[in-house]
Amino acid sequence: DAKTTQPNSMESNEEEPVHLPCNHSTISGTDYIHWYRQLPSQGPEYVIHGLTSNVNNRMASLAIAEDRKSSTLILHRATLRDAAVYYCILRYSGSNYKLTFGKGTLLTVNP
Amino acid sequence: NAGVTQTPKFQVLKTGQSMTLQCAQDMNHEYMSWYRQDPGMGLRLIHYSVGAGITDQGEVPNGYNVSRSTTEDFPLRLLSAAPSQTSVYFCASSALQGARNSPLHFGNGTRLTVT
Repeated sequence: DAKTTQPNSMESNEEEPVHLPCNHSTISGTDYIHWYRQLPSQGPEYVIHGLTSNVNNRMASLAIAEDRKSSTLILHRATLRDAAVYYCILRYSGSNYKLTFGKGTLLTVNP
Repeated sequence: NAGVTQTPKFQVLKTGQSMTLQCAQDMNHEYMSWYRQDPGMGLRLIHYSVGAGITDQGEVPNGYNVSRSTTEDFPLRLLSAAPSQTSVYFCASSALQGARNSPLHFGNGTRLTVT
């Protein structure tokens, strides 16, 4: 199964952009890249997902490398409310429904 | 729109007691799953289901049972609770059709303590 690798923690200042990296070197051609975040004492929430092209929504942007072996979640202007654990996961093709979450990246936002 | 609802929010059990964690979703999702989250361990998959009557094991299924009699509900049963099952439990659901392109929706969790 394809796995993802993320830094354990990152730090940012309020109002600055944040780039959260994720490596998925064994990704297959039909796996989608999903990002979720978990605020303190809450369940994870969906942020964004993509296959090949870069994606934007109201929460963030997702930049996917041309070889798809890595991706970057971009928060354009971090706020204190963005402090959370961010998870990058792969949603597989076929009948593999065992979705695995790693430990994610703990993002700290400084005022 | 309620989304994924988990009950109870908190529970304390004594070793050996049994209980059922409830999970219900109102989005007509075929895929449902249970995760546990321990400090520093991320989310670990316990069981999942791809439709009524169909369940399968995840990474850490021992000590837990599940069944799926309806599309909406996916209860998680602890038959004989152990202190090692102290954790926060999350239920998640998504559409199955085009699953790779479908977001997972999570409940707000059940915090279980076994003494």
